[in-house]
Amino acid sequence: QKEVEQNSGPLSVPEGAIASLNCTYSDRVSQSFFWYRQYSGKSPELIMSIYSNGDKEDGRFTAQLNKASQYVSLLIRDSQPSDSATYLCAVGAAGNNRKLIWGLGTSLAVNP
Amino acid sequence: DTGVSQDPRHKITKRGQNVTFRCDPISEHNRLYWYRQTLGQGPEFLTYFQNEAQLEKSRLLSDRFSAERPKGSFSTLEIQHTEQGDSAMYLCASSFGSNQPQHFGDGTRLSIL
Repeated sequence: QKEVEQNSGPLSVPEGAIASLNCTYSDRVSQSFFWYRQYSGKSPELIMSIYSNGDKEDGRFTAQLNKASQYVSLLIRDSQPSDSATYLCAVGAAGNNRKLIWGLGTSLAVNP
Repeated sequence: DTGVSQDPRHKITKRGQNVTFRCDPISEHNRLYWYRQTLGQGPEFLTYFQNEAQLEKSRLLSDRFSAERPKGSFSTLEIQHTEQGDSAMYLCASSFGSNQPQHFGDGTRLSIL
């Protein structure tokens, strides 16, 4: 069964620090990788997508993909209290349907 | 470019009643997905459409659940004879093709009394 695993946390970091969130996946032929942020009671919001090995930066967010090791990570620089949320990793399955396989999410708390 | 729209935002109903939810995807998106999410869990896949064709339905989904996307635009999700365990947030998402990010609506929160 195809799986996506995340540390459930909570991950607690002080304001201004770097938060590092990790995700591993089991399907070697996965082709697309996404990070979503979800505030309590709200729906998931896309923050990063990555398709190739290496780093992709967008503002304070950096996604890192290593297909050989089957992990994808998200770094949040200069963490703010407003970054406190659950971060969901989603991996696009290979094959005709290519639906997303979701992790359970990592809870992040940024302390002022 | 309007986002994904879901209606209603909240639904409270008695056990045994039928409920129907509506989702309007982003206009140019051909794929539409339904998920269910409970507290502390990631989104649980229910079904998805490419245009008007329903391509996959979760094996976890009982026959009480049905979804349609009659003209390849909006979609409806119906739950018949609701049970306590159906209480959850029902999320709709859309994307333009496979391997593309999915964009979510605000969800419909269902509470079964």
